[in-house]
Amino acid sequence: GAGVSQSPRYKVTKRGQDVALRCDPISGHVSLYWYRQALGQGPEFLTYFNYEAQQDKSGLPNDRFSAERPEGSISTLTIQRTEQRDSAMYRCASSLGGIGETQYFGPGTRLLVL
Amino acid sequence: AQSVTQPDIHITVSEGASLELRCNYSYGATPYLFWYVQSPGQGLQLLLKYFSGDTLVQGIKGFEAEFKRSQSSFNLRKPSVHWSDAAEYFCAVGNTNAGKSTFGDGTTLTVKP
Repeated sequence: GAGVSQSPRYKVTKRGQDVALRCDPISGHVSLYWYRQALGQGPEFLTYFNYEAQQDKSGLPNDRFSAERPEGSISTLTIQRTEQRDSAMYRCASSLGGIGETQYFGPGTRLLVL
Repeated sequence: AQSVTQPDIHITVSEGASLELRCNYSYGATPYLFWYVQSPGQGLQLLLKYFSGDTLVQGIKGFEAEFKRSQSSFNLRKPSVHWSDAAEYFCAVGNTNAGKSTFGDGTTLTVKP
């Protein structure tokens, strides 16, 4: 079956522009997670959803970052007024739901802000 | 707050040699612990996980890990490394009250022929 997909795979943008990153989870997965991974570091939690409800957004760095999952499936992570420090790999994962369930990761979106 | 430390940034082993990657965690209760592998251009793949019970956990690709509460460790081992094991390995601790995981900064494994 299909795994987690993310688009675009690469995104180059200019400072000040808004970007929207898309995640399509595994069908039937209840929980969806967003992580950010800087070079040489492990993934850093941003936010997660159960169905369409955003359960925890404590990892979002500031109010330029937002995420939604309006129908409980596809999710969009939006970064407004991008800055060079936003450059990173953005990873999405999904799971069946429930504490400790295995998270399946997508290939990531590499964002470069010039 | 939960945290994970992977003390070794880079490890090189010869093909066929044994491997141990270290992971230390900080968490207030019994943790959920994970090891992931990341190959270039790929997403993270789960190797194994510990929730409770037997402290020696078997995973895919011949990997195993042992949970040692007294040492707050969850080291990853493999008896004989293959060239295809060259990758980056991440240890993570899961929050037992919520869905998020906290990752270490990873260990890059190089396998010499």
